[in-house]
Amino acid sequence: GAGVSQSPSNKVTEKGKDVELRCDPISGHTALYWYRQSLGQGLEFLIYFQGNSAPDKSGLPSDRFSAERTGGSVSTLTIQRTQQEDSAVYLCASSLLRDSVGTDTQYFGPGTRLTVL
Amino acid sequence: SQELEQSPQSLIVQEGKNLTINCTSSKTLYGLYWYKQKYGEGLIFLMMLQKGGEEKSHEKITAKLDEKKQQSSLHITASQPSHAGIYLCGADGWGTYKYIFGTGTRLKVLA
Repeated sequence: GAGVSQSPSNKVTEKGKDVELRCDPISGHTALYWYRQSLGQGLEFLIYFQGNSAPDKSGLPSDRFSAERTGGSVSTLTIQRTQQEDSAVYLCASSLLRDSVGTDTQYFGPGTRLTVL
Repeated sequence: SQELEQSPQSLIVQEGKNLTINCTSSKTLYGLYWYKQKYGEGLIFLMMLQKGGEEKSHEKITAKLDEKKQQSSLHITASQPSHAGIYLCGADGWGTYKYIFGTGTRLKVLA
């Protein structure tokens, strides 16, 4: 596709259940980012992938959060034993490259709105 | 503490009016990005500024980067209802892998 896509667009789950959020980056983009946007809050960085590896996982809120990326393309963000405070919009972005000097422009997907009841 | 502060937090203007949104950093800015967010559409990239004094325009939106003041401003000329949304500034995480965003400015344009 032409842009970053995310699925599902909306997810309602019960507290304690596991959820998987998917991100399809723009073809050819080597860097992929996950963010979280809670109601009334700014964007919170979660994790960054360069290819299939994640140099920095320190933004993940707890060990219930994990992410992987396969084939340098699709990424999955998994939240285990969801809690109500996990309710937020989860945004994915990709960029063409990221080097030691700086970043390349990030392009965002429409997000997945997660509601934990 | 918030490293990118935006002002104002919200703004309501009459259609046709000009407006300015500011983004101030607590650290040296090496590059700054402006995005617009509308409900259900994620973030839309507007422009990137990398050099001090740099100014870029996208349709009726102009952004400038003042490295000395560690500040960027986004100016909209002759605002239209289509400009409504949340404007976010973002910056590279100062040598980390984290990408920092400002708190956002919510713009409403009255027809």
